[in-house]
Amino acid sequence: QSALTQPASVSGSPGQSITISCTGTSRDVGTYNLVSWYQHHPGKAPKLMIYEGSKRPSGVSNRFSGSKSGNTASLTISGLQAEDEAHYHCCSYAGSSTLVFGGGTRLTVL
Amino acid sequence: EVQLVESGGGLVQPGGSLRLSCAASGLSFSSSWMSWVRQAPGKGLEWVAYINKDGTENSYVDSVKGRFTISRDNTKNSLYLQMNTLRAEDTAVYYCARDRSYYGNGAFDSWGQGTMVTVSS
Repeated sequence: QSALTQPASVSGSPGQSITISCTGTSRDVGTYNLVSWYQHHPGKAPKLMIYEGSKRPSGVSNRFSGSKSGNTASLTISGLQAEDEAHYHCCSYAGSSTLVFGGGTRLTVL
Repeated sequence: EVQLVESGGGLVQPGGSLRLSCAASGLSFSSSWMSWVRQAPGKGLEWVAYINKDGTENSYVDSVKGRFTISRDNTKNSLYLQMNTLRAEDTAVYYCARDRSYYGNGAFDSWGQGTMVTVSS
């Protein structure tokens, strides 16, 4: 149950696109297409942005997209907006009804 | 409107116990896998425990196995986490979260606001 690896921080200017990576192993990300992504503003509840790798819940902007290659999942945010500034956490199913999260990435909109 | 409201957090000495509760409303509680997720100060989110819809299956992160017990009462739309033999490293905000998927795969679409647990002497 080792944590997934995310960059500590990423940044981008309004209107740009950014990608946050989430690297796991063959025991989690590599085997299951069950990665979810959460947006977390300080003091608020986390918000589900992507689930099952690339699906968006109702109400989440199509500027958010998810993908996977091998043991690495990615969250891409296009057309960056000021309100996208937050922490982003990835989470992968790891078998036997267990989950593993990443360390979180702080997104700064310049 | 879906609401998950945690309670029961507080300050406890190392080795002590606490029982967290989560009251759910506005969702089909008995049809949902539920979890506890925590966030230690300055750290990322950490999955703690899962329970299936009828409470017959549960799973835990290795660091809490044998010390924490997740349970639910579908007649009261409530989720619980009994935490025993608490350690300083258990200090965190504890969130109750509902999984939207059929079997529980980490798609938490509803979260509470969290309750703080501080383990310190």
